[in-house]
Amino acid sequence: DAGITQSPRHKVTETGTPVTLRCHQTENHRYMYWYRQDPGHGLRLIHYSYGVKDTDKGEVSDGYSVSRSKTEDFLLTLESATSSQTSVYFCAISTDRDRGIYGYTFGSGTRLTVV
Amino acid sequence: AQKVTQAQTEISVVEKEDVTLDCVYETRDTTYYLFWYKQPPSGELVFLIRRNSFDEQNEISGRYSWNFQKSTSSFNFTITASQVVDSAVYFCALSEGRGQGGSEKLVFGKGTKLTVNP
Repeated sequence: DAGITQSPRHKVTETGTPVTLRCHQTENHRYMYWYRQDPGHGLRLIHYSYGVKDTDKGEVSDGYSVSRSKTEDFLLTLESATSSQTSVYFCAISTDRDRGIYGYTFGSGTRLTVV
Repeated sequence: AQKVTQAQTEISVVEKEDVTLDCVYETRDTTYYLFWYKQPPSGELVFLIRRNSFDEQNEISGRYSWNFQKSTSSFNFTITASQVVDSAVYFCALSEGRGQGGSEKLVFGKGTKLTVNP
């Protein structure tokens, strides 16, 4: 168990407000990811990180920013929430394929509703 | 660009039937990994299997089996003697080649919702 915790688990917010979701891991994994899940779309990558302060955009990054100031925490921020950002957000970590068993572990998800 | 297609949006079967979930992928990488995840109604993502591109052996785990065929770019998943507890959304995913800092991003199919009726 990679020990991934997402917070909050549920959130309702108003359009135009900033929102920050937190992903916390306890096993010092280098790679972390934020995905969103929407009906009919599967999971789509928002942003990912390959180290402290090293981040890059994914497929659906518009309207989102991330930060990683510590190995264990990867924050996803919606600068000004819109209804189209209503979704379930998953954080994930991956191990390095060159350093052992390669795989991904997902957090339990955050259900965000923008009203 | 990498792509994963799960053409079956929803499948409904009666308990004890066998069911196969299809997954077709596209990639230009010679080294890649394929995954299957299960998402039960509770919402968490449960890892089922990982297969690398150099290992075409089929795998069986209890009632679950996977058929990997590079010639057709497919990685299909079969559940034998399905049970109600198998009801879930199943995702096939492909790891992209090395990106920034050596990271490898998963590209998901849209998922297949399986309903097993008693």
